[in-house]
Amino acid sequence: QVQLHESGPGLVQSSGTLSLTCSVSGDSINNSHWWTWVRQSPGKGLEWIGEISHSGSIVYNPPLRGRVAISLDKSKNQIFLNLKSVTAADTALYYCARIINGWSGLDYWGQGILVTVSS
Amino acid sequence: DIQMTQSPPSLSASVGDRVTITCRASQTVSTYLNWYQQKPGKAPKLMINAASSLQSGVPSRFSGSGSGTDFTLTISSLQPEDFATYYCLQTSSTPYTFGQGTNLEIK
Repeated sequence: QVQLHESGPGLVQSSGTLSLTCSVSGDSINNSHWWTWVRQSPGKGLEWIGEISHSGSIVYNPPLRGRVAISLDKSKNQIFLNLKSVTAADTALYYCARIINGWSGLDYWGQGILVTVSS
Repeated sequence: DIQMTQSPPSLSASVGDRVTITCRASQTVSTYLNWYQQKPGKAPKLMINAASSLQSGVPSRFSGSGSGTDFTLTISSLQPEDFATYYCLQTSSTPYTFGQGTNLEIK
């Protein structure tokens, strides 16, 4: 059974950097999949942040480009999200999810982690 | 970006009712359209991918249809556990985009 688990600080200072880890079990991130980050806030609904392939190809959502970085560590089977210069607008539930291809959808999700940006 | 317009935003229905939720894309997404169910405090759950392919374990009362720009999610006979928020998601091109959601409530 594929499982994803997000971890990281639940509170980040305004103008600081949000750093999250997604730990994957039941699948290898070295397989031909993509790994995505999605966030959910009351004001903006569900927002796709970006994705990274097993080979390290990365696509970001343009509004976040310049502030966001996604990376992976195959030896630890983990994916990482860094979002810098955060503001209150970045307060959200953050999810990691797997996507095999465009037909599969985001099929497995983590339970999510709430990150609050404090001033 | 492809905009996904989902309707209605909310829907009140009774157990046993047939309900339909629609999602319209601002440009064609072929059948790269997925439907999710989300319950409070839980991650979205993939119900249907590729517009009409039911995920394993999802009851057959759920069905999806459409292609191009217009899609529907139908629940043929609502059960108590179906009351939740439903989202569509296009994975035709990045940035992937979600609909705004439909909150399905008990009447």
